[in-house]
Amino acid sequence: EAAVTQSPRSKVAVTGGKVTLSCHQTNNHDYMYWYRQDTGHGLRLIHYSYVADSTEKGDIPDGYKASRPSQENFSLILELASLSQTAVYFCASSDGLGGDTQYFGPGTRLLVL
Amino acid sequence: GQQVQQSPASLVLQEGENAELQCNFSSTATRLQWFYQHPGGRLVSLFYNPSGTKHTGRLTSTTVTNERRSSLHISSSQTTDSGTYFCAPHQGGRALIFGTGTTVSVSP
Repeated sequence: EAAVTQSPRSKVAVTGGKVTLSCHQTNNHDYMYWYRQDTGHGLRLIHYSYVADSTEKGDIPDGYKASRPSQENFSLILELASLSQTAVYFCASSDGLGGDTQYFGPGTRLLVL
Repeated sequence: GQQVQQSPASLVLQEGENAELQCNFSSTATRLQWFYQHPGGRLVSLFYNPSGTKHTGRLTSTTVTNERRSSLHISSSQTTDSGTYFCAPHQGGRALIFGTGTTVSVSP
């Protein structure tokens, strides 16, 4: 099965600090995604990318930046972390934009204090 | 934008019982996926099912595209089926939109 890894797996950050979440895929997929999941809710799309050096806004991009330096790597950056950004963050990859199976990483639990 | 409603929100089953999970969405979806989230958080794709019926093991997914609905049937439930099931339709040109999920708890 396709492999998507995330680091760190959990993180505690302080309000106003910078946080970088990393994602690496070995599937040779063009598309990569960042989602957040709040307790008891579904996933919401933050940013996605379909090619290296290019990112697109998803449904809730405010407060987040993304970076795709290579096909394999996709980062999510919180320049000024806020309490409301406490959530679980999932990275995923796929061949097509929603049209093919998305493979998810294990998630990163972020707690902002 | 696309709105996704899943029902029921939660479901409690005795092992061996069948269950039907429903997904309704507001806009025609060109594609649709069902996902399962383990209690520990891991997400796996169950079905890519834009229309028609698909089976895998004890799971059956049926999508009626022009009625904007999809269902997931679990037959002979097992404790290992416990977790949360998400429906995620795809609207052309956009990524998946996830529903709020159905949490299934199967007791022995």
